[in-house]
Amino acid sequence: EAGVAQSPRYKIIEKRQSVAFWCNPISGHATLYWYQQILGQGPKLLIQFQNNGVVDDSQLPKDRFSAERLKGVDSTLKIQPAKLEDSAVYLCASSWDRNYGYTFGSGTRLTVV
Amino acid sequence: AQTVTQSQPEMSVQEAETVTLSCTYDTSESDYYLFWYKQPPSRQMILVIRQEAYKQQNATENRFSVNFQKAAKSFSLKISDSQLGDAAMYFCASSGNEKLTFGTGTRLTIIP
Repeated sequence: EAGVAQSPRYKIIEKRQSVAFWCNPISGHATLYWYQQILGQGPKLLIQFQNNGVVDDSQLPKDRFSAERLKGVDSTLKIQPAKLEDSAVYLCASSWDRNYGYTFGSGTRLTVV
Repeated sequence: AQTVTQSQPEMSVQEAETVTLSCTYDTSESDYYLFWYKQPPSRQMILVIRQEAYKQQNATENRFSVNFQKAAKSFSLKISDSQLGDAAMYFCASSGNEKLTFGTGTRLTIIP
C-alpha cells in the first residue's frame, strides 16, 4: 500500500510569513494526526482528526495554527504568522486502528529565519 | 494523561552485540498499547515493535524484542546482533484513547 504522503519536504520562511503543509494519509485510514517535532525532542501531538472532525486540538496554538481535513481524506496544516520557535519537523500520521499502529510520513522540515 | 520517559539520551554498541534501550511510562488508561519507533536521518518514523498491554507475553520481531513489566510500567527494547543499519533515534511511545505519546528518544550509535 502507498504510504503517508507529505509535502513540501523542506520549507524556509521568514518570521511573520505564512506557510502551509499538506498530508495525504493511507487510503481507508480514518484517523489523521499532525505532530510537531522540535530538534532533539520527541514528537508532540498538535491535532487529531477522526474522518473530517477534530478529536483533539488541545495542544494546537490556535492563535497562529490552523488545520483542516476536508472530505475526511487530505489535510492541511497552516501557520500564520510564523515565529522562530515554530522551526521544527511537522509529521503527519494516519491509522486505521491503533491495534495496528500508526503510519508516518517523511515530514516537512520548517526553518523560520 | 500519559507520560513516557526515556532516560538514555545516547547509547552505543559494537556491531553484532546486544543493546537494551530503556523506557518507562505512566498512563491512566486501562487499555493501551506500547510501541518502539525508529527514526533514521530520513525523518520517517518506522514502527519497530508493538506490545498490547493486556498481553503478558513479550513481543518479538526478528532481532528486536521487548521486556514488558506492566506493574513497574517499564517497556525496554532489546536489539540483538546489532547491525550498522540499526543506527537511528529510537522513540518509545504509548497509546491510550487513540493518542500516541512519545518519549524524548535515545540516539543509538553502532560501532563497526
